[in-house]
Amino acid sequence: GAVVSQHPSWVICKSGTSVKIECRSLDFQATTMFWYRQFPKQSLMLMATSNEGSKATYEQGVEKDKFLINHASLTLSTLTVTSAHPEDSSFYICSARDQGEEQFFGPGTRLTVL
Amino acid sequence: ILNVEQSPQSLHVQEGDSTNFTCSFPSSNFYALHWYRWETAKSPEALFVMTLNGDEKKKGRISATLNTKEGYSYLYIKGSQPEDSATYLCAFVVAGNMLTFGGGTRLMVKP
Repeated sequence: GAVVSQHPSWVICKSGTSVKIECRSLDFQATTMFWYRQFPKQSLMLMATSNEGSKATYEQGVEKDKFLINHASLTLSTLTVTSAHPEDSSFYICSARDQGEEQFFGPGTRLTVL
Repeated sequence: ILNVEQSPQSLHVQEGDSTNFTCSFPSSNFYALHWYRWETAKSPEALFVMTLNGDEKKKGRISATLNTKEGYSYLYIKGSQPEDSATYLCAFVVAGNMLTFGGGTRLMVKP
């Protein structure tokens, strides 16, 4: 089956630093990648959709200048949380889709901002 | 805002029991419903993609039904095993393929 990896799986950083999370499709080309966030005891919430080579589309309430998304190739998308603050502490998970309907998820990244 | 709800939030069953849980979603603008199985520290694993009213899909001991007119889907697990312990997520899809997730049902199967 299609495999999506994320790195790192867990990161702790100081307030004010920027953190980059990578999402890779390992055995297929992902025309579209999605970034989700999950706060404790809440649903996965879509943050943004990115298509290779074009700007990401952000959901309402998600600051594009704070959550920078780059989808430079068909197998890699990155999410950079800029100037992270404790309220950005969350579980971030990506998914990738090729030409079909199905989205394949990475294992997620837990971000803790001190 | 699309409202996708799953019930119950959590469920404890004994090994061998059969169980089911519900996903309810808006009955308008339906495109598809996805079910995922999510074990701790792993990636969510796709179980089913359901698109037609009346769909029934099966994978081993797990099956799902879909009623788009009344806006619900059931997931059934026959003869639960400890390895079925996971969070089961449903996601509602409108055109454009954006997934709106429910809160999940956390299943724990006791040996």
